[in-house]
Amino acid sequence: GAVVSQHPSRVICKSGTSVKIECRSLDFQATTMFWYRQFPKKSLMLMATSNEGSKATYEQGVEKDKFLINHASLTLSTLTVTSAHPEDSSFYICSARDQGLAYEQYFGPGTRLTVT
Amino acid sequence: GESVGLHLPTLSVQEGDNSIINCAYSNSASDYFIWYKQESGKGPQFIIDIRSNMDKRQGQRVTVLLNKTVKHLSLQIAATQPGDSAVYFCAENIVGNTPLVFGKGTRLSVIA
Repeated sequence: GAVVSQHPSRVICKSGTSVKIECRSLDFQATTMFWYRQFPKKSLMLMATSNEGSKATYEQGVEKDKFLINHASLTLSTLTVTSAHPEDSSFYICSARDQGLAYEQYFGPGTRLTVT
Repeated sequence: GESVGLHLPTLSVQEGDNSIINCAYSNSASDYFIWYKQESGKGPQFIIDIRSNMDKRQGQRVTVLLNKTVKHLSLQIAATQPGDSAVYFCAENIVGNTPLVFGKGTRLSVIA
């Protein structure tokens, strides 16, 4: 099946610093990628949808200046958490959709962010 | 949105028994549904999907049932094994460019 990778798998950063998380589709081209966040014992919440070469669409309540998303190629999207605070600590999961299939959505393994 | 403080519902089953996990989906326009399994610290893992033109689909040891009248989805796991212990999420979308929307999830605990 299609593989999506994320890097890093876990990161600890200090409050006020920025952290970049990469999401790659390894064996397919993804015109659309999605970023979710998940708090402990909760479901996945969609943060934003990014289409290759265009600006991301953010869900209501998600600050676009805080969570910068770049989808510069068909295999790579990045999420940068700027000026991170402890409340940004969460599990961030990306997902990619194969451009040839309208409904298949493949998930990465997630990135655990801890802000101290 | 979700209420603060609510924990995931938990289903405990004896090893070897069948499990049934239920999900109420939200959008009557959704036409594609997926069940995911998520183990601790990992991303969601695809289990089985179903399109809205079907009401039942079977996989290996798993069956998904769809009742569009009451917007209900269920996942049946036959002969549940300890390795099935995880959190299970249903997800829905409208085929096209809409992203998957996840349900609240159910924790399945298998008692050996």
